[in-house]
Amino acid sequence: AQSVTQLDSQVPVFEEAPVELRCNYSSSVSVYLFWYVQYPNQGLQLLLKYLSGSTLVKGINGFEAEFNKSQTSFHLRKPSVHISDTAEYFCAVSDFKAGKSTFGDGTTLTVKP
Amino acid sequence: EAGVVQSPRYKIIEKKQPVAFWCNPISGHNTLYWYRQNLGQGPELLIRYENEEAVDDSQLPKDRFSAERLKGVDSTLKIQPAELGDSAVYLCASSLSWTGNTEAFFGQGTRLTVV
Repeated sequence: AQSVTQLDSQVPVFEEAPVELRCNYSSSVSVYLFWYVQYPNQGLQLLLKYLSGSTLVKGINGFEAEFNKSQTSFHLRKPSVHISDTAEYFCAVSDFKAGKSTFGDGTTLTVKP
Repeated sequence: EAGVVQSPRYKIIEKKQPVAFWCNPISGHNTLYWYRQNLGQGPELLIRYENEEAVDDSQLPKDRFSAERLKGVDSTLKIQPAELGDSAVYLCASSLSWTGNTEAFFGQGTRLTVV
């Protein structure tokens, strides 16, 4: 079984400030890790993913995430946010073999001018 | 390249009525998923297809939900009869394969309101 916990349901931040969205996971098997973004009235789109190799992963729109195996975390960061980054962000894990994905409950990022 | 297309975008029905959702995945994608997203929560898998075969339907409430993917392309998800608790966004996604490292592409979803 696997689970995902997004530690903050809402994160308000001012424009050009840095932001970190936290994600912890648990799984009895090896997993792949993903961050998806959902803009208002749109479907989820992939922001970045960790499959293997370097634990620091860079994605679209200036986002990056760091995989920490010992802490079972995959936090998402951006050094300077824009108004357009306002959206819902979902962390997800997918197990190696069965391909079954589990999503967190999401973090609403609101960027204020 | 066209993305995953879902219809309708919105649907309001009375409880006990039937409802159906349609999904057209990205061309060439063998794997198709139906998710349900309740308000304030992440998507939860209802069913996964590999071509026309349902390979994971363990979370599908089979007493009232059914799905099909004829010819391994388009898919429909049906609820009969609908209950108030079925109000949610129903998301369809597709991917090239079922392996865990494959990106899923999502449609915009169908927002169902049962009154």
